[in-house]
Amino acid sequence: DTGVSQDPRHKITKRGQNVTFRCDPISEHNRLYWYRQTLGQGPEFLTYFQNEAQLEKSRLLSDRFSAERPKGSFSTLEIQRTEQGDSAMYLCASSESGKGFYEQYFGPGTRLTVT
Amino acid sequence: AQKITQTQPGMFVQEKEAVTLDCTYDTSDQSYGLFWYKQPSSGEMIFLIYQGSYDEQNATEGRYSLNFQKARKSANLVISASQLGDSAMYFCAMRALYNNNDMRFGAGTRLTVKP
Repeated sequence: DTGVSQDPRHKITKRGQNVTFRCDPISEHNRLYWYRQTLGQGPEFLTYFQNEAQLEKSRLLSDRFSAERPKGSFSTLEIQRTEQGDSAMYLCASSESGKGFYEQYFGPGTRLTVT
Repeated sequence: AQKITQTQPGMFVQEKEAVTLDCTYDTSDQSYGLFWYKQPSSGEMIFLIYQGSYDEQNATEGRYSLNFQKARKSANLVISASQLGDSAMYFCAMRALYNNNDMRFGAGTRLTVKP
């Protein structure tokens, strides 16, 4: 098991451009989460998938953001018309599901810089 | 609403000594889980330890233990025998059992281990 992977690790883009990030979860995990982390803060929840279904979206996820998990495996997070305020670390996590609590395993993150 | 508070922006500890990182929380949920994550400078969030709200004993994982005081709504992390590799950001997080999509994180504590 190679853990959660994210690609790219770093992205620099100009304001107004679209960007897409990819997350590959741990293979047996059917839950996948996206978080955003700005400097000096803890991660903030953005959205969550159970298999291919997007079950919850935070109010932080404006209409410029869209996430997909088409086959219930990898996920993509797209930001359209990027703004400087989108500059942050975007973290992906995955977990098992079922009764009780399951810890979320995080990927290394994608650091986005919007110039 | 859930809220996590970490009041120590930064902490220093001498190598081989123990250190306690504070975490208090606020929730109206009866069933919830408390988590601690470590984030080194590389950016990846590493799961350390978990405590369920109905667990009677404090959780321990190697050099990590969680001092859970339910009545005071605190879940402090104790790291024994600190090592230089423990220098990192540490985040406390919680999630309700029946809303387990939304993990709330504190602002974090930066721990520096001195040789």
